[in-house]
Amino acid sequence: ETGVTQTPRHLVMGMTNKKSLKCEQHLGHNAMYWYKQSAKKPLELMFVYSLEERVENNSVPSRFSPECPNSSHLFLHLHTLQPEDSALYLCASSQDWRQHYGYTFGSGTRLTVV
Amino acid sequence: AQTVTQSQPEMSVQEAETVTLSCTYDTSESDYYLFWYKQPPSRQMILVIRQEAYKQQNATENRFSVNFQKAAKSFSLKISDSQLGDAAMYFCAYRSAYQGGSEKLVFGKGTKLTVNP
Repeated sequence: ETGVTQTPRHLVMGMTNKKSLKCEQHLGHNAMYWYKQSAKKPLELMFVYSLEERVENNSVPSRFSPECPNSSHLFLHLHTLQPEDSALYLCASSQDWRQHYGYTFGSGTRLTVV
Repeated sequence: AQTVTQSQPEMSVQEAETVTLSCTYDTSESDYYLFWYKQPPSRQMILVIRQEAYKQQNATENRFSVNFQKAAKSFSLKISDSQLGDAAMYFCAYRSAYQGGSEKLVFGKGTKLTVNP
């Protein structure tokens, strides 16, 4: 068990579908993150949550909607996505969003939009 | 804004040999943190090593060590006695140390390392 669990591992969805990605951590961390990893591009930070409060939103389109009901769970709700949104979506957590000791990552959800 | 550049999209090494992965970064800050992450086929990003910019001593973790050249803004990763399990994508990352600055990790595009038996 890595400490950060993401489900589903793979997801294929049509452009009109609504789906959600789930992330769960049992490390007692207070901060959680969503990153997008596309081929041949650096990882892009999407959202940062600290103690269930969003502290950063990096100009992400509104078709991506995050939710953090508690410090252990993070969701990314998807609707009316575009094919260019196909990517690996990584969740990460850290003790605190201002700490400098690195993040613990999950194994990601491979999303394909058709 | 800070940027991280990994100029080697792919590298290969023979098992038991040593390989060095390059990373340069651009920043106007004097205090920051640098990281190397490994992403094997399992896709989970794993922290390999961390360097604090105010420390002159290069960080080491077993077979992994860095060559941190602050003036040159260079942060290379050396893997000694390479093993088959070292095959992965390696990402260099930067993080500001200033509160009120951007606390996010800024990543390079990665280097794919192949280890040949």
